[in-house]
Amino acid sequence: DADVTQTPRNRITKTGKRIMLECSQTKGHDRMYWYRQDPGLGLRLIYYSFDVKDINKGEISDGYSVSRQAQAKFSLSLESAIPNQTALYFCATSDRERDDREQFFGPGTRLTVL
Amino acid sequence: QKEVEQNSGPLSVPEGAIASLNCTYSDRGSQSFFWYRQYSGKSPELIMFIYSNGDKEDGRFTAQLNKASQYVSLLIRDSQPSDSATYLCAVRTPGGYQKVTFGIGTKLQVIP
Repeated sequence: DADVTQTPRNRITKTGKRIMLECSQTKGHDRMYWYRQDPGLGLRLIYYSFDVKDINKGEISDGYSVSRQAQAKFSLSLESAIPNQTALYFCATSDRERDDREQFFGPGTRLTVL
Repeated sequence: QKEVEQNSGPLSVPEGAIASLNCTYSDRGSQSFFWYRQYSGKSPELIMFIYSNGDKEDGRFTAQLNKASQYVSLLIRDSQPSDSATYLCAVRTPGGYQKVTFGIGTKLQVIP
């Protein structure tokens, strides 16, 4: 089955460390997204990319950077992790040809920054 | 005012009853409305979308949209324990990027 995968699934790191979360998809979708989910705050968009050369900031991009290495791969980096970046991170994809009607989410990465 | 508002719940209903989940949004230009279901520890999955005023039915699920009142709801008939999850309302607004904003979600508990 075409899928969205994320690695790692769980990560514990320390303040100040640089970490990378990776997302891969086999759906053939051109659009990819990174969200974080926090209790009481819901899903918030960090970055989105409509193709390899089109990357845009979302509502909470400070402290994060991204790389779209290929149509199928979209990575999120925390340059210097801080405790308030502890959250559940989701990658998602959508299909422009279907009017982005649905976003398909990966299984999530639970990140803890100590 | 939040762009998309939902009561976080929990909303508890007995098995077999109708669960009614509500969502309001602030941007009158919003055009598309979605309901995602998220089981605990899992990722969201789309269960309904609605674009036009009125009702849209899919099996036990009915989405209702009232653009004049900026209100969208999800009804779940014959609720089952397997419906216990958090339901996220999402709203898409027009623009260069058709931004999708999610609510915080309503936790539904169906009591056997």
